Amino acid sequence: AQSVTQLDSQVPVFEEAPVELRCNYSSSVSVYLFWYVQYPNQGLQLLLKYLSGSTLVKGINGFEAEFNKSQTSFHLRKPSVHISDTAEYFCAVSDIRQGGKLIFGQGTELSVKP
Amino acid sequence: DAGVIQSPRHEVTEMGQEVTLRCKPISGHDYLFWYRQTMMQGLELLVYFNNKAVMDDSGMPKDRFSAKMPNASFSTLKIQPSEPRDSAVYFCASSNRQGQAPLHFGNGTRLTVT
Repeated sequence: AQSVTQLDSQVPVFEEAPVELRCNYSSSVSVYLFWYVQYPNQGLQLLLKYLSGSTLVKGINGFEAEFNKSQTSFHLRKPSVHISDTAEYFCAVSDIRQGGKLIFGQGTELSVKP
Repeated sequence: DAGVIQSPRHEVTEMGQEVTLRCKPISGHDYLFWYRQTMMQGLELLVYFNNKAVMDDSGMPKDRFSAKMPNASFSTLKIQPSEPRDSAVYFCASSNRQGQAPLHFGNGTRLTVT
């Protein structure tokens, strides 16, 4: 079975500052990794995904994440955040054998202040 | 494409009543997922389908919840009888490829059981 731990429940940051949202996963098999964003009263939208290949993955809205197999981490980063990035961010993992079944972390609330 | 469509957006009901949530996946997507989101538990997978067949319902309380997918373009999640602890946002999501494809989420149904 897989599990995902998002190490910070809330991350406050000032506009134009860099941010890192941390995610660690646990799995005994190979996995795919995802980051989703949820704006208030909406469903989740895909930010980026890691399937294979380069460990540095670029996504939408200037976000990127790095897959580190030895540390079982998939941290999300952005060099300069905007007010509009204020949202909840979810890290998720799926077993490559199990047809898209995603296990989500508890979420990190990113709050960007002017 | 209209995306994943869920109805109703909000549902308020009294304890003991039957509740039916509905979902129309994106056309051509053969995986469909039902998730429940609460503050305490985060996003929990209740059940998922592949080609209308239940693949995993281990997260769904069997005594009161039932999920069906009578055709490729429609799914229901029924709760009978409903209880206050069922209050949550229920999301439907669909995808079109095993494992690698991202999930496309609907905007959710906010259920309140009084």
